[in-house]
Amino acid sequence: NAGVTQTPKFQVLKTGQSMTLQCAQDMNHEYMSWYRQDPGMGLRLIHYSVGAGITDQGEVPNGYNVSRSTTEDFPLRLLSAAPSQTSVYFCASRRSGDTDTQYFGPGTRLTVL
Amino acid sequence: SQQGEEDPQALSIQEGENATMNCSYKTSINNLQWYRQNSGRGLVHLILIRSNEREKHSGRLRVTLDTSKKSSSLLITASRAADTASYFCATEEGAQKLVFGQGTRLTINP
Repeated sequence: NAGVTQTPKFQVLKTGQSMTLQCAQDMNHEYMSWYRQDPGMGLRLIHYSVGAGITDQGEVPNGYNVSRSTTEDFPLRLLSAAPSQTSVYFCASRRSGDTDTQYFGPGTRLTVL
Repeated sequence: SQQGEEDPQALSIQEGENATMNCSYKTSINNLQWYRQNSGRGLVHLILIRSNEREKHSGRLRVTLDTSKKSSSLLITASRAADTASYFCATEEGAQKLVFGQGTRLTINP
């Protein structure tokens, strides 16, 4: 299994540009989520999904959209990038249930100029 | 708002010593998890302790949970240079949302 994969690894955007961060998992996990991590900080939940066709907002959803058309993929869209969205973005997945390990992707480092 | 708060924010010890870091949280939880993050990498799950458990071991790791004080501790025994990383606690709120603390940055000096 490849686990959780994310593309791209690095991205530089200009203010106002849009882009999609890709996330895929091959473990047939129902639950997927997106986090952002700012320097010296923990992870903050952006959006999450408990299954295909179901998404919900986390702690910091503004400026981001998600969709879950398949179990495997959970893309994160930045509609109009702002410097405040400069961060490292992590995708994670796990099986449903309250005792399951969450698996993280390697992250995407995004800089918005 | 973040649920877990780690203490200390940074810890530097000599190789071979034990490292203890603490996590406090605010609301009732289903479980509490600890993760490690090496510089520039994703998070790796270390250990999960359920709300009805008080202590759990995994290799050189020992985790305790005190639900009455809403706190947990992670002990790493006989530290090694490879243990240098940031350590995060995470608590599961309702609707399967995992909320992370700000982390403890651990440095093991040779």
